[in-house]
Amino acid sequence: DAGVIQSPRHEVTEMGQEVTLRCKPISGHDYLFWYRQTMMRGLELLIYFNNNVPIDDSGMPEDRFSAKMPNASFSTLKIQPSEPRDSAVYFCASSLQPGELFFGEGSRLTVL
Amino acid sequence: DQQVKQNSPSLSVQEGRISILNCDYTNSMFDYFLWYKKYPAEGPTFLISISSIKDKNEDGRFTVFLNKSAKHLSLHIVPSQPGDSAVYFCAANNAGNMLTFGGGTRLMVKP
Repeated sequence: DAGVIQSPRHEVTEMGQEVTLRCKPISGHDYLFWYRQTMMRGLELLIYFNNNVPIDDSGMPEDRFSAKMPNASFSTLKIQPSEPRDSAVYFCASSLQPGELFFGEGSRLTVL
Repeated sequence: DQQVKQNSPSLSVQEGRISILNCDYTNSMFDYFLWYKKYPAEGPTFLISISSIKDKNEDGRFTVFLNKSAKHLSLHIVPSQPGDSAVYFCAANNAGNMLTFGGGTRLMVKP
């Protein structure tokens, strides 16, 4: 059974460019989460969806960040325009219930 | 405001000895606690959990202890193995709300 699939695994871009990260959750999971991992702040929850509906986006840093879930098998996290301080590893996770999450392998973003 | 804190960013232990990773929380409403393990270039994976109605949960070499009065939990790994070297995150939630993660502790087990 495939786990959570994220793409790209690595992204290097220049400041000001648009970045789109993609996620395919585990089939049947009703919850989808986007986390960001940095050295300073550990794992931060950015936004989560329940049945494709955004429930809490209070962790999204600013308006440059947006996330969508057009269907149960796909979600995107977009940063426009990107800045060097956005450099981090972005994780997508899914679950049947909020407690136990299954994480993807992450997308490492470097903004120059 | 960090509700879940792991005050030790790193820990080094000799193979065969016990590893003790600590975690403190401030939200007394938390009732479910988890530990995740993360290898480089991989996502975190679930390791072990404990409900607030218990004070200990054991799974093989891994035991989690919960001290509700102190708002403290710890993960014990014994005996430690080089393959246990990873970053360990503790997490907590309540009543099905979202997990709040600590900042992680990097464990290095030396052969």
